[in-house]
Amino acid sequence: QVQLQESGPGLVKPSQTLSLTCSVSGGSVSSGSYYWSWIRQHPGKGLEWIGSILFSGTTYYNPSLKSRVSISVDSSKNQFSLKVTSVTAADTAFYSCARARGMGLFDSWGQGVLVAVSS
Amino acid sequence: DIQMTQSPSSLSAFVGDRVTITCQASQDISNYLNWYQQKPGKAPKLLIYDASSVEVGVPIRFRGSGSGTHFTLTISSLQPEDVGTYFCQQYDDLPPFAFGPGTKVDIK
Repeated sequence: QVQLQESGPGLVKPSQTLSLTCSVSGGSVSSGSYYWSWIRQHPGKGLEWIGSILFSGTTYYNPSLKSRVSISVDSSKNQFSLKVTSVTAADTAFYSCARARGMGLFDSWGQGVLVAVSS
Repeated sequence: DIQMTQSPSSLSAFVGDRVTITCQASQDISNYLNWYQQKPGKAPKLLIYDASSVEVGVPIRFRGSGSGTHFTLTISSLQPEDVGTYFCQQYDDLPPFAFGPGTKVDIK
């Protein structure tokens, strides 16, 4: 059974870059069958898809975040990563990594990590 | 972009009750609709995909139906472990994949 675990700073200053990593076990990020994805949830709010990446490096981003977001994959470490630049308080959220079976069918999720943007 | 709405926003029911949650898409999404359950403090869990297909390991009391713009999730006999928030999500129009705002389910 695949497991995903997010890691990264829980506090980021405004205007800086938020960086998170998702470590995958029980499965391979090099599998061509899955899209590796990031989703966030503002406290007490709904879910927002951030973007997804294939092992080939092909990426898909939410247009609302596209100018500030990048997702990359490191098959040697079996990890994929998220960067969000120029963060503001509006980026404070729980960030989860997930595996998508096909483009938008999220069948496995990490526990999520709270990232607060504050000076 | 496609917008998703859900109703009700919250509900409270007795153990054993039949519970129905509805999800509406702002345009036709065929059957590209998933349902997730999120228990307090936990990651979301996929329950139903393609509107009516039950994910492996999900109890048979969970059933999904609908197509086009109107979808329902039914819990045939509510159990205490079903407490949580339920989200629908479309993946017809991509990107972005839109989630519904969620329905919080409690036990009376």
